[in-house]
Amino acid sequence: DIQMTQSPSSLSASVGDRVTITCRASQGIRNDLGWYQQKPGKAPKRLIYAASSLQSGVPSRFSGSGSGTEFTLTISSLQPEDFATYYCLQHNSFPPTFGQGTKVEIK
Amino acid sequence: EVQLVQSGAEVKKPGESLKISCKGSGYSFSSYWIGWVRQMPGQGLAWMGIIFPGDSNTRYSPSFQGQVTISADKSISTAYLQWSSLRASDTAMYYCARHFGSGSPPPPDYWGQGTLVTVSS
Repeated sequence: DIQMTQSPSSLSASVGDRVTITCRASQGIRNDLGWYQQKPGKAPKRLIYAASSLQSGVPSRFSGSGSGTEFTLTISSLQPEDFATYYCLQHNSFPPTFGQGTKVEIK
Repeated sequence: EVQLVQSGAEVKKPGESLKISCKGSGYSFSSYWIGWVRQMPGQGLAWMGIIFPGDSNTRYSPSFQGQVTISADKSISTAYLQWSSLRASDTAMYYCARHFGSGSPPPPDYWGQGTLVTVSS
């Protein structure tokens, strides 16, 4: 299986901060990567697909970049509703594998 | 509007069987892969397997092969996740998700609300 390593595992930030989360794949996955947001007690919600394409309805403060083995999710100006856990998912190689998650908490 | 509605929470004893469901609406159910994701208490997400309702083609993650059975009834737009003999370690939230796009398999886009399965003696 391809291993997806997310960093950091958690972070504390303030409203308005720029936040960057990184996901590294154990081997190249082209751009077959998505980012998901999960709030407590809720199902995951897709934010980004194909590494950098914004899911319809998702605010433009979210962006994704990267290809191959290194990917980033950036929140340009953190909003109160963005405090959640974020996961990357690779679907280039079977089986799809998630990163371990990054919990974004209020500073 | 794409919707996936899952069956309600279950409390079972070790060794019992269980089948949970996921009903899709707002899209052509037979034409999209649908899969299952496990989330154990306080843990991350684990992809379990996937089925194409149109022809019942099914693929399992090796970690879950032989542990669960995924099936679908396209006539009622419903997918299922089934256990023949539950263990305490099966206690988790289970999400169904439609899969769409490029890749093998394509990634999940729309998700169900989750079904909590608790296995305890």
